Amino acid sequence: NAGVTQTPKFQVLKTGQSMTLQCAQDMNHEYMSWYRQDPGMGLRLIHYSVGAGITDQGEVPNGYNVSRSTTEDFPLRLLSAAPSQTSVYFCASSYEDPGLAGAPSYNEQFFGPGTRLTVL
Amino acid sequence: GENVEQHPSTLSVQEGDSAVIKCTYSDSASNYFPWYKQELGKRPQLIIDIRSNVGEKKDQRIAVTLNKTAKHFSLHITETQPEDSAVYFCAATLSGSARQLTFGSGTQLTVLP
Repeated sequence: NAGVTQTPKFQVLKTGQSMTLQCAQDMNHEYMSWYRQDPGMGLRLIHYSVGAGITDQGEVPNGYNVSRSTTEDFPLRLLSAAPSQTSVYFCASSYEDPGLAGAPSYNEQFFGPGTRLTVL
Repeated sequence: GENVEQHPSTLSVQEGDSAVIKCTYSDSASNYFPWYKQELGKRPQLIIDIRSNVGEKKDQRIAVTLNKTAKHFSLHITETQPEDSAVYFCAATLSGSARQLTFGSGTQLTVLP
């Protein structure tokens, strides 16, 4: 299994340009998420999906769109890039395990290698 | 909104000493608490996790403790080694959902030889 893959690894955009960050997973995971990582701020959730055709907003969704037409793919679109979107973007996939009887389910997230985006 | 606070932001220890990183969370419905390690330029990787029905979990030199009453959990690394140097993130499930994680801001751990 390749796990979670992301393309491109690096990207430089000019303000106002649009682009799509690609994410794919081959583990048949239901859940996929996009995070951005900025210095000193940890990982912040942008958008997530609990299955094909279902997406929802996370903590910082403005300026980004997502769609989930298949279980495997979860692209992130920047509509009109701004310098504030300079960041490292991580895609993650996960599954829900019912765990032991009576115990809460848990959710290990597997991360892709990341895309380093610079907006000038 | 719900958040996770992590302390300290930086931590330096001598090789062989122990390191402790602490996190507090605000959502009483949170039920899953993972810890991730991120080496420079790499992706975060899960090192240990704990569920709300367990108070402590150990895996070799790494342990996590959870105090649900006080809403805090901690990562303990014993007999630290230079390869433990990395950024560590705690996280908690959001609003009782197993599908969303809220991350702490990270701790840069440096193990001095």
